[in-house]
Amino acid sequence: GENVEQHPSTLSVQEGDSAVIKCTYSDSASNYFPWYKQELGKRPQLIIDIRSNVGEKKDQRIAVTLNKTAKHFSLHITETQPEDSAVYFCAAIGPGSARQLTFGSGTQLTVLP
Amino acid sequence: EAQVTQNPRYLITVTGKKLTVTCSQNMNHEYMSWYRQDPGLGLRQIYYSMNVEVTDKGDVPEGYKVSRKEKRNFPLILESPSPNQTSLYFCASSLWSEVNSPLHFGNGTRLTVT
Repeated sequence: GENVEQHPSTLSVQEGDSAVIKCTYSDSASNYFPWYKQELGKRPQLIIDIRSNVGEKKDQRIAVTLNKTAKHFSLHITETQPEDSAVYFCAAIGPGSARQLTFGSGTQLTVLP
Repeated sequence: EAQVTQNPRYLITVTGKKLTVTCSQNMNHEYMSWYRQDPGLGLRQIYYSMNVEVTDKGDVPEGYKVSRKEKRNFPLILESPSPNQTSLYFCASSLWSEVNSPLHFGNGTRLTVT
């Protein structure tokens, strides 16, 4: 099955700096890559996603890039703010009938004021 | 309001005492799934269901059962809980017909087995 590795596990940045979280996946047939944000004590919520036919997608201060050849995708957050502090999960989904979503292990992002 | 509702939010129980965590969604989603979240391990899928009466094992199904008798409900059953099932559990649902339909998560159930 699919295996998703996520790095780093923790990341601290100064407010206003950029943050980058990277994920690699194992199944070259995977075609959908969402990112979820989980604030302390809350449920994970989708913040951005990308399909395999697109190399980059941007939504205000967040962007995701996908390199299908290398089988990795990254989350970029610019101009970080304290409210960006949370755990971020990447995920990958394959094209099979089960369409199971496999999550990375998560990155604890802390934005220091 | 579109939502996934889990109950209870917190549960403390003893080894071997059967329990059920309920999950209900009001979005007419075909796909429902259970995850457990443990520090450093992310979200691991326990069981999922693609529609009524259709369920299948995820990555960590041992010790758990599920059922999908109605489209809106997907309960998680621990027949004989053990301490290694102490975890934070999330139920989630999505539309099956759209490949990039987002997962909607419930608020979570924090289970402690002593």
